[in-house]
Amino acid sequence: AQKITQTQPGMFVQEKEAVTLDCTYDTSDQSYGLFWYKQPSSGEMIFLIYQGSYDEQNATEGRYSLNFQKARKSANLVISASQLGDSAMYFCAMREYLYAGGTSYGKLTFGQGTILTVHP
Amino acid sequence: DTGVSQDPRHKITKRGQNVTFRCDPISEHNRLYWYRQTLGQGPEFLTYFQNEAQLEKSRLLSDRFSAERPKGSFSTLEIQRTEQGDSAMYLCASSLSVREPQHFGDGTRLSIL
Repeated sequence: AQKITQTQPGMFVQEKEAVTLDCTYDTSDQSYGLFWYKQPSSGEMIFLIYQGSYDEQNATEGRYSLNFQKARKSANLVISASQLGDSAMYFCAMREYLYAGGTSYGKLTFGQGTILTVHP
Repeated sequence: DTGVSQDPRHKITKRGQNVTFRCDPISEHNRLYWYRQTLGQGPEFLTYFQNEAQLEKSRLLSDRFSAERPKGSFSTLEIQRTEQGDSAMYLCASSLSVREPQHFGDGTRLSIL
């Protein structure tokens, strides 16, 4: 079974500093995807960044980068130049490929999340 | 570009009542997912539709829960005889293909009195 572990219940960072949110995963699959989502207090889940298990380069999207270490099964999110609007819950998720009805689909398994607070 | 839309945003109901939630996915997305998120936890998978076919259901989806996607566009999730433990955020997501990221709606927050 897939498992995602986020060991930091809460993190604090000063505005304009960088912060790393930890994520480790457990899977026996060779093909999988890793995602980070942001959930503000209003509740919506916002897709941030994606890393495929076969991607050799770390994914980057603006101020977000994913530090993917496959051998260690870790997929940490790095947010550079933190902004006050980055304060939110952050979820790491893994997509496993499953088959049903003769077709494949991607089921997401989420970690418990990390609450990030950015101080001015 | 219209995102995933869910209605209502909040629902408060008495235990034992039936409730129905609606999800409108991004228009060209044929894959639709429902997740449930309880307080302090990450979302958990409930069910998956490809077009109008419900292809997978989690064991979390008891027989009081039913989901439909009649014309392969919007989807509904109904909970019959609600219980206290049904209080949660119900999230809908859609994607264009299995390899594309799932895009989530704002969720429906259900509170059972």
